[in-house]
Amino acid sequence: AQKVTQAQTEISVVEKEDVTLDCVYETRDTTYYLFWYKQPPSGELVFLIRRNSFDEQNEISGRYSWNFQKSTSSFNFTITASQVVDSAVYFCALSEAGWAGGGNKLTFGTGTQLKVEL
Amino acid sequence: NAGVTQTPKFRILKIGQSMTLQCAQDMNHNYMYWYRQDPGMGLKLIYYSVGAGITDKGEVPNGYNVSRSTTEDFPLRLELAAPSQTSVYFCASSYGGGRSNQPQHFGDGTRLSIL
Repeated sequence: AQKVTQAQTEISVVEKEDVTLDCVYETRDTTYYLFWYKQPPSGELVFLIRRNSFDEQNEISGRYSWNFQKSTSSFNFTITASQVVDSAVYFCALSEAGWAGGGNKLTFGTGTQLKVEL
Repeated sequence: NAGVTQTPKFRILKIGQSMTLQCAQDMNHNYMYWYRQDPGMGLKLIYYSVGAGITDKGEVPNGYNVSRSTTEDFPLRLELAAPSQTSVYFCASSYGGGRSNQPQHFGDGTRLSIL
């Protein structure tokens, strides 16, 4: 069975600090996909990134970066120079290889609440 | 583009009542999903659909039913509401094509309370 663990329930930082959100996953599949979603206080879920199991290159998008390490089954998310607008719950999710046709079933972690204060 | 639209946004039900949560998407996505999110928890899959006329159970299907008569719509039905079904419900959709696991696009959620 697949499992995603986000051990950090809540993190508080001061604006402009860097912060890393941890994600550890378990799967028996050799082909799988990892995702990060953001849930701001307004409640909607916003897709941030998708990574497949064959691509271990780190990804950077503006102040966001992701570190995927298969050796430790981790897919960590770093926000550089955090801002108040980054305050949200962040979810890591895992899916097995897609069905023929591209769909997938996501297994979510329990989320990390990030609070960025002035 | 509206994306994924869920109605209603909020609802209070009495125990034993029934209701249908509506979900519509205008992105021509093959795949649609229903999740529930309980406080302090991640989302859990209730039901999903790979296309019109085809549905299947997810992780927590008990107490719910779905139908998919069109590509656009995927309603979720609660027949006999129970307090354990108090939750926030999210509908999502994703593009079909190959095995590339396209990201799911979520609606804004329906906050449901059963009293």
